[in-house]
Amino acid sequence: AQSVTQLDSQVPVFEEAPVELRCNYSSSVSVYLFWYVQYPNQGLQLLLKYLSGSTLVKGINGFEAEFNKSQTSFHLRKPSVHISDTAEYFCAVSPTARQLTFGSGTQLTVLP
Amino acid sequence: DTAVSQTPKYLVTQMGNDKSIKCEQNLGHDTMYWYKQDSKKFLKIMFSYNNKELIINETVPNRFSPKSPDKAHLNLHINSLELGDSAVYFCASSRRDEDGYTFGSGTRLTVV
Repeated sequence: AQSVTQLDSQVPVFEEAPVELRCNYSSSVSVYLFWYVQYPNQGLQLLLKYLSGSTLVKGINGFEAEFNKSQTSFHLRKPSVHISDTAEYFCAVSPTARQLTFGSGTQLTVLP
Repeated sequence: DTAVSQTPKYLVTQMGNDKSIKCEQNLGHDTMYWYKQDSKKFLKIMFSYNNKELIINETVPNRFSPKSPDKAHLNLHINSLELGDSAVYFCASSRRDEDGYTFGSGTRLTVV
């Protein structure tokens, strides 16, 4: 079985500041790692994913994430946030069986 | 062209009623899912179908019954609705583990 922990339930940050949303996971097998974003009253949209290879992955809207196997982490970062980045962000893991397990989400609020 | 579409978007109903939520995907994906998102934004898988066959059936009350008439459709029928069933229900589909999921925009179910 696998589990995902998002360490911060809420992250307020000022516009144009950098942000890091933290995600740790546990699994007894190799997993794929994902970050999704959910804007208010909308479904989830894939931001980026790590499958293998380079540990730094780049996604849409200027986001990137780094896979750290020794720390079992997959933190999401953006060097300069915009008001429009305000949303709920979910980290998720998937083993080879087709089942995404989600973290509890982090509400990113970008302040003017 | 909506990739994963759910209907209705909002559903308000009384306790004890029976209701259905429909989901259709036009992506040619083999696997479809139902997730429940509670008031704290936590996402939990309910069911998964691969080519019309049930492959994941998490611990949900047997009042919930999925039906997949073909691999492009996965409907969710709920009998004897209870207050605790109030949540947002998301349909999703996928082709391969490494692709992640494509989500619908959700159905907000309110039981009064």
